[in-house]
Amino acid sequence: AQTVTQSQPEMSVQEAETVTLSCTYDTSESDYYLFWYKQPPSRQMILVIRQEAYKQQNATENRFSVNFQKAAKSFSLKISDSQLGDAAMYFCAYRSALPVSGATNKLIFGTGTLLAVQP
Amino acid sequence: DTEVTQTPKHLVMGMTNKKSLKCEQHMGHRAMYWYKQKAKKPPELMFVYSYEKLSINESVPSRFSPECPNSSLLNLHLHALQPEDSALYLCASSQGPSGTGSLSETQYFGPGTRLLVL
Repeated sequence: AQTVTQSQPEMSVQEAETVTLSCTYDTSESDYYLFWYKQPPSRQMILVIRQEAYKQQNATENRFSVNFQKAAKSFSLKISDSQLGDAAMYFCAYRSALPVSGATNKLIFGTGTLLAVQP
Repeated sequence: DTEVTQTPKHLVMGMTNKKSLKCEQHMGHRAMYWYKQKAKKPPELMFVYSYEKLSINESVPSRFSPECPNSSLLNLHLHALQPEDSALYLCASSQGPSGTGSLSETQYFGPGTRLLVL
């Protein structure tokens, strides 16, 4: 079974600085998808960034980028120029790409990293 | 548009009440999900519907009863809940098995219903 580990329960960053959130996963599969979701306090969970395992190029979305190391099974999220609105719980998630007849694969979440942004 | 809506936003119910949570999406997604989330924890999958058929039930107690009336709607019927069922209930949707690439595998979440069972 696949597992996702986020070893940093809490992190803090100064406004305008850069912070990296770590995520490692364990799988025997070669094809899968990885996601980072952001959940601000009492607010909606939103997708930050996604990565297909077969793509070597790291995904980027504005100030958010990932460092995807397939061999090391590592998928860290870098937030540049941190803003107060980036304060949230960040979840790393894994999803198998294996086809499942008539169904869909589960999203496996890490335990989350609570990011505080200091003004 | 990647919007998933959920009603109500908040719900307080007694242990003998019957209530329902609603979820709606108009993105043409064919997979819909119910999650339960406790504070500062990741969401826990409860049910998955694929093409309006229940495809995954994560051994959820029968006091939770899902229903998918059509491809846009998902309900969660609640009956005789316990205080430990108090949580944030999240609905999500994705394109489903017919999609290709990570876009089809991406789940979009609603804002959730915060449930308190007294």
